[in-house]
Amino acid sequence: AQKVTQAQTEISVVEKEDVTLDCVYETRDTTYYLFWYKQPPSGELVFLIRRNSFDEQNEISGRYSWNFQKSTSSFNFTITASQVVDSAVYFCALKAAGNKLTFGGGTRVLVKP
Amino acid sequence: EPEVTQTPSHQVTQMGQEVILRCVPISNHLYFYWYRQILGQKVEFLVSFYNNEISEKSEIFDDQFSVERPDGSNFTLKIRSTKLEDSAMYFCASSESEVANEKLFFGSGTQLSVL
Repeated sequence: AQKVTQAQTEISVVEKEDVTLDCVYETRDTTYYLFWYKQPPSGELVFLIRRNSFDEQNEISGRYSWNFQKSTSSFNFTITASQVVDSAVYFCALKAAGNKLTFGGGTRVLVKP
Repeated sequence: EPEVTQTPSHQVTQMGQEVILRCVPISNHLYFYWYRQILGQKVEFLVSFYNNEISEKSEIFDDQFSVERPDGSNFTLKIRSTKLEDSAMYFCASSESEVANEKLFFGSGTQLSVL
């Protein structure tokens, strides 16, 4: 069975600060995929990034970056120079065998002006 | 950008009533899903659907639930006899393929309240 844990339930920062969201996952599958989704106040789930288990190279995409470490089963996500529009709930998710996404509990990010 | 649309955005119903939640997936997508999120809890997988058949379902998706693609554009979730514990946000999603790294596009959700 798969499991995703987001230990931080809420993070509050001031605009322009960096925010790092933690995600730890469990799976017995050797091939799996990790995702981050954003849920703004409007409610929809918006895809942000994905990573496969074979590629531990960390990347930066605009203000987003992620740190995938297979050795610790972690897939952390960083927003650099946060903006008020980044205020949302962020979900880490795992897809292994089968076609379903297993979500973490989410981290609410509040960016204050 | 194409999007998944869900109607209604809010649905209030009495316990024991049937409800149908509607979704219009992205037009060239072939795989469809329902997820739900009980207030304050995780987003949970309910069911996936392809080629007019359920391809996978969770333990939550019992006989009270059914899905249907009645025409070429809509994808519906029916709850036959609602219970209080069915109150949740229900998300529809679609994807172009079932490739494991394929991203899912989600709708804005239907907030179901069972009284």
